[in-house]
Amino acid sequence: EIVMTQSPGTLSLSPGETATLSCRASQAISSNYVAWYQQRPGQAPRLLVYGPSSRATGIPDRFSGSGSGTDFTLTISRLEPEDFAVFYCQQYGSSPYTFGQGTKLEIK
Amino acid sequence: QVQLQESGPGLVRPSETLSLTCTVSNFSISSNFFWGWVRQPPGKGLEWIGSIFHFGTTYSNPSLKSRVVMSVDTSKNHFSLSLSSVTAADTALYYCARRHYASGLLDYWGRGLLVTVSS
Repeated sequence: EIVMTQSPGTLSLSPGETATLSCRASQAISSNYVAWYQQRPGQAPRLLVYGPSSRATGIPDRFSGSGSGTDFTLTISRLEPEDFAVFYCQQYGSSPYTFGQGTKLEIK
Repeated sequence: QVQLQESGPGLVRPSETLSLTCTVSNFSISSNFFWGWVRQPPGKGLEWIGSIFHFGTTYSNPSLKSRVVMSVDTSKNHFSLSLSSVTAADTALYYCARRHYASGLLDYWGRGLLVTVSS
């Protein structure tokens, strides 16, 4: 099983700033199949970015994904109030598909 | 817009079987996608449970495989999850989701259903 480790656990930023979230895999991810999901309180996860740099339908270009091998990054530029939530990375190349433990992005 | 909705009992007794159904709207469950389940214990992260194709092919998390049974009913456009011999550790929000055929990417999710295991 591939273990996904996210950092930091919590990120405190202000609207307008840029957030950089990291995800490291315990082994290289097949075809760089890493996705990022946003989960707002009381809501289901929402697919943001996958593959690792393709945006899902309706996701603004402020969200961008990058990385390869074992290290992946989600960057959110020009933070807006609705962006503050918990973010999960997932490797979806090798079963069992595994998630990171999450990064909480909170308003500073 | 693809929509998924979980249904089932919110309370299950220890050692019994948890049974959930996910009804899919605005999209045929017989299309070239898998249909999956993910759970989230209160205040914790996400755990992939497993997924099923409409032909009946299934993939399950090895940590749960011995207790998981999944099925599809194409006539009702829904799929189901059964998890046997539940304990308090199975208390979680259970989500159903659409999974891409060639990978584990989950692009549409239900709103989730809280299932509590308690006597």
